[in-house]
Amino acid sequence: DAGITQSPRHKVTETGTPVTLRCHQTENHRYMYWYRQDPGHGLRLIHYSYGVKDTDKGEVSDGYSVSRSKTEDFLLTLESATSSQTSVYFCAISGGGGGGSNTEAFFGQGTRLTVV
Amino acid sequence: AQSVAQPEDQVNVAEGNPLTVKCTYSVSGNPYLFWYVQYPNRGLQFLLKYITGDNLVKGSYGFEAEFNKSQTSFHLKKPSALVSDSALYFCAVVFSGSARQLTFGSGTQLTVLP
Repeated sequence: DAGITQSPRHKVTETGTPVTLRCHQTENHRYMYWYRQDPGHGLRLIHYSYGVKDTDKGEVSDGYSVSRSKTEDFLLTLESATSSQTSVYFCAISGGGGGGSNTEAFFGQGTRLTVV
Repeated sequence: AQSVAQPEDQVNVAEGNPLTVKCTYSVSGNPYLFWYVQYPNRGLQFLLKYITGDNLVKGSYGFEAEFNKSQTSFHLKKPSALVSDSALYFCAVVFSGSARQLTFGSGTQLTVLP
C-alpha cells in the first residue's frame, strides 16, 4: 500500500480519554491527510498537511488536532474522545508533483476506533 | 469552497452491460479529478485521474472517465461490467493550488448482478 502504515489498526477507548493515531510513510510525499469514513457520509477530511509543521483544517476538524514534526509522520489526536468519534480513520499521502504528476493519493489500511 | 457530488448512492447493473457512475464537482480554478474504488474492509485504491489534456481518461481494470468542463462532471464508465467490479466508488477533487486539499464525494455502491 505505497509505503503507508497506520497504527494502531484497531482501538477501543473510553469516553473522555485522549487518543493518538499515527500515520507513517516511507515515500517522502509532501501531502498527508486524515479522513474519517462513516456510513452515508463517504470520506470526510479532518486535517491535512502540506509540509512539515504546515497543517490546515478540513470539514470535520472539531475535537481533533494534528502534528507533523517530520515528513514521514502525521499524528491525529482526539483530545477527549466522544462516542461520535467512533469511526474508521484513513490516512492518505500524495506527492502533489508539479505539472500534475504524482498527484494521486495513496491510502493506508485504516484504523477502526470505537469509543465506549 | 470545493465540493464533489455523487448523486446516486446505489447503482445496479447486469454483468456484461455498460456501467456509469456519476460525479459532479464545484471548484474554482482548474480541478484535478480522481476516481477511487474501495473493497470491503480495505483502504481506497486509485483508479484514474484527470489533470489536463484529453477529456477521456483511461485507468485501471478497464475503467474510463470523461471530463466535461461545461457540465462540471467527471463520470466513471466501463463498457462491460463484471461481477468483480462490485464495490464502493468515490470521486474526488483537488484544486490546483498550493494546499492540495483533497475532497471526496459520498460514494456510490456499485452492484453488478450475474
